[in-house]
Amino acid sequence: KAGVTQTPRYLIKTRGQQVTLSCSPISGHRSVSWYQQTPGQGLQFLFEYFSETQRNKGNFPGRFSGRQFSNSRSEMNVSTLELGDSALYLCASSPDNSGNTIYFGEGSWLTVV
Amino acid sequence: QKEVEQDPGPLSVPEGAIVSLNCTYSNSAFQYFMWYRQYSRKGPELLMYTYSSGNKEDGRFTAQVDKSSKYISLFIRDSQPSDSATYLCAMSARRETSGSRLTFGEGTQLTVNP
Repeated sequence: KAGVTQTPRYLIKTRGQQVTLSCSPISGHRSVSWYQQTPGQGLQFLFEYFSETQRNKGNFPGRFSGRQFSNSRSEMNVSTLELGDSALYLCASSPDNSGNTIYFGEGSWLTVV
Repeated sequence: QKEVEQDPGPLSVPEGAIVSLNCTYSNSAFQYFMWYRQYSRKGPELLMYTYSSGNKEDGRFTAQVDKSSKYISLFIRDSQPSDSATYLCAMSARRETSGSRLTFGEGTQLTVNP
């Protein structure tokens, strides 16, 4: 069974640009969450989608957005990139929202220059 | 004050040692507790998942939860060099209110020396 797949794995962007990251959850999983990981702040929750609806949102500015498609695949977008957005962006999936286990992908490494 | 506190280490032990990793938390709403292992430049890998207070064992790993003290632990027996990684504790509240939102500790960097 394939795990959580994230693309692209590595990317470099310039300040002011926007970026879209993609996530394919484990087959059969309907909940997808996104996290940002930085050396200074650790792992921080961005948002969660379940059945194409955003269920939860972390404390990030509106430049960070996401969506989920009918096949449970998800994308997150960051607009007007800032240097501080350089981070590892992790996608996680779980079967549903009833307390089951949560599995992470390998992440997308974003560098903003 | 952070909701989840975890000593970042680094922690260095000889091969074969018993490793103890700990987290404390302040949010009484946390009900689900997880330990993840993260190798350098990789995503977190789920090691242990517990719901209630008590112990849960899986191979060389034992997870312990004490809700009354708001304290969780992960023990690694017969540690191996391949266990060298960052260990993250994570927790979440009732799914009806918080969904799958996890709150993480800072992570403890562990090195097991041959």
